[in-house]
Amino acid sequence: GNSVTQMEGPVTLSEEAFLTINCTYTATGYPSLFWYVQYPGEGLQLLLKATKADDKGSNKGFEATYRKETTSFHLEKGSVQVSDSAVYFCALSGVGETSGSRLTFGEGTQLTVNP
Amino acid sequence: GAGVSQTPSNKVTEKGKYVELRCDPISGHTALYWYRQSLGQGPEFLIYFQGTGAADDSGLPNDRFFAVRPEGSVSTLKIQRTERGDSAVYLCASSLYPYILDEQFFGPGTRLTVL
Repeated sequence: GNSVTQMEGPVTLSEEAFLTINCTYTATGYPSLFWYVQYPGEGLQLLLKATKADDKGSNKGFEATYRKETTSFHLEKGSVQVSDSAVYFCALSGVGETSGSRLTFGEGTQLTVNP
Repeated sequence: GAGVSQTPSNKVTEKGKYVELRCDPISGHTALYWYRQSLGQGPEFLIYFQGTGAADDSGLPNDRFFAVRPEGSVSTLKIQRTERGDSAVYLCASSLYPYILDEQFFGPGTRLTVL
């Protein structure tokens, strides 16, 4: 079955530091890949996505590249801000006639950015 | 417009009791998903509706759980004979259509505590 593995957290950085959160996946076929973010007290929000190999998703200074050869989708940001403090989830979606776009999530990585 | 709403936001019940959790999707969204998020974990898929029908209920953990969406809009997740292990945040998401490129919009969740 499908699965997603994220680097263990939590991650604590100083403002303006470089961020990498690793994500690898196991899936049949060609899944689409996502990063979701959950800010304190808020619901899950889509951060970025990529639907095929070598695609790069980007949003709010975050980037992730769909690497089929390494089955990875690592999240990066060049300079984090205090407002980026949140829990980040890597997820994938497979294609199925009956499953719609059900998402399989990783365990989440708590990011704390200190001023 | 209004996002996905879920009621109640918190529910505390005793072991063995019956509970209902409600989800109001974004108006016009045909696809509706339920997920369960245990503490420190990523969301896990429970069930997916396309319109009024449950197209995929393979994530429901056992027959104490079932969900309905009688008019293709509001959905109710029902849990019979609750157990302490059912304690989690139950998330609802909706999308316009059940395609990979259609973003799933998540509600704030219902936190269920079974004493």
